Order: sequence, then structure tokens, then C-alpha cells
Amino acid sequence: DQQVKQNSPSLSVQEGRISILNCDYTNSMFDYFLWYKKYPAEGPTFLISISSIKDKNEDGRFTVFLNKSAKHLSLHIVPSQPGDSAVYFCAARTQGGSQGNLIFGKGTKLSVKP
Amino acid sequence: DVKVTQSSRYLVKRTGEKVFLECVQDMDHENMFWYRQDPGLGLRLIYFSYDVKMKEKGDIPEGYSVSREKKERFSLILESASTNQTSMYLCASSWGGEKLFFGSGTQLSVL
Repeated sequence: DQQVKQNSPSLSVQEGRISILNCDYTNSMFDYFLWYKKYPAEGPTFLISISSIKDKNEDGRFTVFLNKSAKHLSLHIVPSQPGDSAVYFCAARTQGGSQGNLIFGKGTKLSVKP
Repeated sequence: DVKVTQSSRYLVKRTGEKVFLECVQDMDHENMFWYRQDPGLGLRLIYFSYDVKMKEKGDIPEGYSVSREKKERFSLILESASTNQTSMYLCASSWGGEKLFFGSGTQLSVL
């Protein structure tokens, strides 16, 4: 059973507009959430994270929002740029769980069109 | 910066061959991981290790084994490669419960 779900396999956005990538989870024991970005033929790179004690974290053009009651988080990219075109993975860690063992969603492929 | 190095970017092997994928990290991280990435399936954990000579099964360990003789090196072994093991293999390391650092990946094709 999938504990971390990214229900949109793909998303297409115009350059300069906002990209919103969504992630839902089922395990209420998750205490830390991360977003990774992956280009083809490269390993994923860490983008931004949020602890379950917060509801928002911002880093430049990237903001992650966490709604614990809805078990939902989202990544906002504003403004979107063509270089943001990549696959984005949402990941979660269980409180007190295996050190560094993250559970990943299936990813959302973002295409930013010039 | 943390560097996680995977020995090969691309590999082509024959069915039944024994395959070794090597991974080295340079930041003295305790934890190391092997994932595979397949389209539509995301990242799936194969094996991980918390310490030298220790290993734990992930979600899809069947057909794989691992070796961690030194802290910086974590090897993934396909005992008898099969076509359904054609995939992108990703090694990662971390310190404690912190974020993972990934290598560039090895695209393995089994013919």
C-alpha cells in the first residue's frame, strides 16, 4: 500500500507562472518531508524539506506547504523556469523510524514551456 | 560538498551474469542505500546499511544482495542478472535521519 502518493504523473506549466506539485500521505507517524528533483540520467538532488511542526518552509522560488490534518503537502515554484523541468519526488520519514530511510512517491514530471 | 560516486554510468550485461554495482561516499556517512528507479514506479528501496557489515532488506530485495566491508563503500550484487532487472540504480548516503545524498546513477541494461 502506497504511503506517499503523487497522483499527478505529469504537469505542464508556462514559464513565469506558478507550478504546484502535490503529495498525499497516509501515515500519521511521518515527521519530516522532503522534495527531490531529478533530471534524466542524473541522481535526485535535495530541494527543500519541512518538519511536521511547521506548516510552511520557503527557499527562494520554492515553498513547501504542509497540511497535517489533510495529510497533504505541496511544492510551489514561483516563477517557473524552463530549467525547472524535471521529475519531482516527494519523500517522507517516519518519526523514530529507520535512520534516513525515506519513503518516496512515484514522482511528478514537470514541464515548463518557454 | 558530499560526493557519492557510482562506478559506472552505463552497463550492459547478459542474462545470467553476476553483476557488481559499486558505490563510494566521501563524507563518513553511517547510512547507505540502494534504490532502483523505473518509469511510473518511482524510487524503490532495495537494501540499506546502517554500519559496516550490517544490512537490511528494503522493499524489493529479491534477486539482489549487498556488501559493506568498509564504511565508505556499499556494493549491490545481482547474483544472476535477469531482464526485469534492467533499470536505473541509485546509491545514496546519509548521516542519521538527515536528507539523502544520491549518486549519479547506473543505467543497467540486461539483454
